[in-house]
Amino acid sequence: NAGVTQTPKFQVLKTGQSMTLQCAQDMNHEYMSWYRQDPGMGLRLIHYSVGAGITDQGEVPNGYNVSRSTTEDFPLRLLSAAPSQTSVYFCASRPTGNEKLFFGSGTQLSVL
Amino acid sequence: AQTVTQSQPEMSVQEAETVTLSCTYDTSESDYYLFWYKQPPSRQMILVIRQEAYKQQNATENRFSVNFQKAAKSFSLKISDSQLGDAAMYFCAYRSAWAEDKIIFGKGTRLHILP
Repeated sequence: NAGVTQTPKFQVLKTGQSMTLQCAQDMNHEYMSWYRQDPGMGLRLIHYSVGAGITDQGEVPNGYNVSRSTTEDFPLRLLSAAPSQTSVYFCASRPTGNEKLFFGSGTQLSVL
Repeated sequence: AQTVTQSQPEMSVQEAETVTLSCTYDTSESDYYLFWYKQPPSRQMILVIRQEAYKQQNATENRFSVNFQKAAKSFSLKISDSQLGDAAMYFCAYRSAWAEDKIIFGKGTRLHILP
């Protein structure tokens, strides 16, 4: 069982570039989410999904898009990267009705 | 809106000693869950312990235990017999029982273990 898989682990972008952070889980979890972690700020929720075809905004959604076409995948898109989006990004999932989150190993993103 | 506050950005403890990490939260709800997550240098987030608000008994997992004071909205983590492998960032987190979609994290406490 791979759990939650995030790719890439590291990425450097130039301001204005676009990219997609990939997240996949093989546990058939309905709930998936994206967090960003910044020094002194803890983890902040960007977007989340409670099932295929359903997404919603979290605490800091601006500059990010998501889609959920399958139960397994929940990609996070940066349409025009900004230096303020330099952060560590975590994808997490959990089964419906279960409070334990399963985290991916994170993506370190730097925007120059 | 709910908030989670960890007032200790960093703490240090001697190996084999006991340390307590503080967490307070603010909510108007009566039914919720509280968590402590550990993030070692590997960056992986690991669930350490969880507490259901409707349970008065404090949760315990081996060397980890909590002191849950619902009226005071306090949820501290006690680590007994500290080990070098306990060195990590620790996050306190809250989730409403009725809003399954959002888990709110505190800003974290970095714990150093002194040999």
